[in-house]
Amino acid sequence: ILNVEQSPQSLHVQEGDSTNFTCSFPSSNFYALHWYRWETAKSPEALFVMTLNGDEKKKGRISATLNTKEGYSYLYIKGSQPEDSATYLCAPIGTGFQKLVFGTGTRLLVSP
Amino acid sequence: EPEVTQTPSHQVTQMGQEVILRCVPISNHLYFYWYRQILGQKVEFLVSFYNNEISEKSEIFDDQFSVERPDGSNFTLKIRSTKLEDSAMYFCASRDYEQYFGPGTRLTVT
Repeated sequence: ILNVEQSPQSLHVQEGDSTNFTCSFPSSNFYALHWYRWETAKSPEALFVMTLNGDEKKKGRISATLNTKEGYSYLYIKGSQPEDSATYLCAPIGTGFQKLVFGTGTRLLVSP
Repeated sequence: EPEVTQTPSHQVTQMGQEVILRCVPISNHLYFYWYRQILGQKVEFLVSFYNNEISEKSEIFDDQFSVERPDGSNFTLKIRSTKLEDSAMYFCASRDYEQYFGPGTRLTVT
């Protein structure tokens, strides 16, 4: 899996707004998709691992969906808070030893 | 909670020098990885390591790079003769079901 695109590249919202980002990837040779949250100067933090078409996962105010047939995943944040400010990375995995191929990320800034 | 650790957090070296970046993966994990991010670019895969050998490597991972797991806990990345373009954040990761990342080592080659 080589071509991973994320949009938008950056997003600035107000506290309380809900927002969503897109990750697009080639649907062939798909094994799983990871979402990570990455704050500056910290380790990327795993949010979700998704494998099945139609998967929906939720962690607090953050949720994600997966469409493996058309090759996309959405990440939703409900009621954004300033502490949600970070870069959100998606990384699909093909078969094999599961190297992550990262998208460019969506940089989210939530203003109070 | 177990975590991946990396040392040093920042390394400055002169072009042509050898550097060793160190990682301590989570203890019961069996798969290990190095990634890097050049400023302003995507995070890129370098190498994966399993069962004491390289399982996959990228085009970036040429003869100047090597990895070792010398003592069953540390996982090191060595760059034999650093170039200016090796300046980047280097991340180590280990995996059970998910990949867990360390905080990174910022390598600056002058």
